[in-house]
Amino acid sequence: DAKTTQPPSMDCAEGRAANLPCNHSTISGNEYVYWYRQIHSQGPQYIIHGLKNNETNEMASLIITEDRKSSTLILPHATLRDTAVYYCIVRGIQGAQKLVFGQGTRLTINP
Amino acid sequence: DTAVSQTPKYLVTQMGNDKSIKCEQNLGHDTMYWYKQDSKKFLKIMFSYNNKELIINETVPNRFSPKSPDKAHLNLHINSLELGDSAVYFCASSSGTGPREQYFGPGTRLTVT
Repeated sequence: DAKTTQPPSMDCAEGRAANLPCNHSTISGNEYVYWYRQIHSQGPQYIIHGLKNNETNEMASLIITEDRKSSTLILPHATLRDTAVYYCIVRGIQGAQKLVFGQGTRLTINP
Repeated sequence: DTAVSQTPKYLVTQMGNDKSIKCEQNLGHDTMYWYKQDSKKFLKIMFSYNNKELIINETVPNRFSPKSPDKAHLNLHINSLELGDSAVYFCASSSGTGPREQYFGPGTRLTVT
């Protein structure tokens, strides 16, 4: 599975859009980009995933660059409850399905 | 209507004891996992079962033995507990097809004294 690079921390004002970047320059053609988050003391929570097209669900939007070497998770109207560590993970859908978590980005939403 | 549940939520025990953590999912998934999150907050896969068969077994001491009585349950038994086993253990599940996003339980905080 390709390695990912994320900034260790970010801040965002409540009500504003939070844009979390992720670099995955060694991603291969059949690997997906997944985002999970972990709110303090809770289990990780699946947010969204994508292959090459931009994706949107009720939680967030995922923008993947055309060359697929980077992506951005967008929380359109961040709330205090979005304060968490966000993990970007690249993985194929075949074979062993373990998630390899890096250090993630600690996102703090400020009032 | 809990999706992935774990018991107990907290477990405090002494070195040398044997303990078990139970996990159940009601999502109809056929793949289940155990992850360990240590004091530095790194999350690492330990085991994965698909249809009651072990498919992932990372470098984990033999003192850890997973058991899957059926597709909805994956238990973790730990023998001869050591101080270094203190961590939060998370169970997760996913379907066996498609993107296979994983759904995690609330975690079991194990403290070995």
